Amino acid sequence: AQSVTQLDSQVPVFEEAPVELRCNYSSSVSVYLFWYVQYPNQGLQLLLKYLSGSTLVKGINGFEAEFNKSQTSFHLRKPSVHISDTAEYFCAVGLSGNTPLVFGKGTRLSVIA
Amino acid sequence: DADVTQTPRNRITKTGKRIMLECSQTKGHDRMYWYRQDPGLGLRLIYYSFDVKDINKGEISDGYSVSRQAQAKFSLSLESAIPNQTALYFCATSELLAGGADTQYFGPGTRLTVL
Repeated sequence: AQSVTQLDSQVPVFEEAPVELRCNYSSSVSVYLFWYVQYPNQGLQLLLKYLSGSTLVKGINGFEAEFNKSQTSFHLRKPSVHISDTAEYFCAVGLSGNTPLVFGKGTRLSVIA
Repeated sequence: DADVTQTPRNRITKTGKRIMLECSQTKGHDRMYWYRQDPGLGLRLIYYSFDVKDINKGEISDGYSVSRQAQAKFSLSLESAIPNQTALYFCATSELLAGGADTQYFGPGTRLTVL
C-alpha cells in the first residue's frame, strides 16, 4: 500500500523568503501526486497535481513542485512567500483509479512579517 | 468550493446522541468521500463511495455509517456519538480521469463537538 510522509509538521518562514515543504511517498508502482492547501477555517483546495509528463508542475499562487521518481519525493516550493500563504499544506498520493488518495499529516506554514 | 456543500457547518451534541452530517454536490461526480481531520493526524478516510450502489470502509469506519441517497448526496451518521468523535469532518467528491487519476474537491467542513 502507498504511504505519504510530510517531513515537517510546522515551518515558520519570514515574508518574502523562499520556502520548501517536503513530501516523500512510498509505492512500488506509478503514482499520481497532489498538493492541497487549507486556509484557516476553510476546506482543502487543490494547489497542483502531477499526473504524468513534465516533472516540474506549476500551481496556483506561485507554487511549484517537482516530482523526483528516484528519490520518491514531491517537494513544494515558492521563491517568495506572502503573509497570505499562511495555511496548512497536505501532500497526497494516488495509484490507480480504484483506490482513494492517501494524505500526509500536513505541514503548517506560518509566514512571519 | 461552493459545488460541494455540507450541513450543518457546526454542531454541538451530547454523548450517546445520533448525529447525521449531510453532503451535497453539484459537480456531477460519481465518487464521494468522508474524512475527519484531527490536529496532528491529518485527514483520515472514514467511508467512500464510487457510485450510488457502492460503499466502502475507509481507515477509521468504526462508530460511523453512511448512506448514498443519490449521485449528489452522501450522508455520514454517528449512531451513538462519543467525545473522541469530536473533529472537523470533510466531504469530498472526485471524478475518474483518463489514465486512472482522479482529483478530489472538498466541502467547507463540519465542526462537530461531542460533550
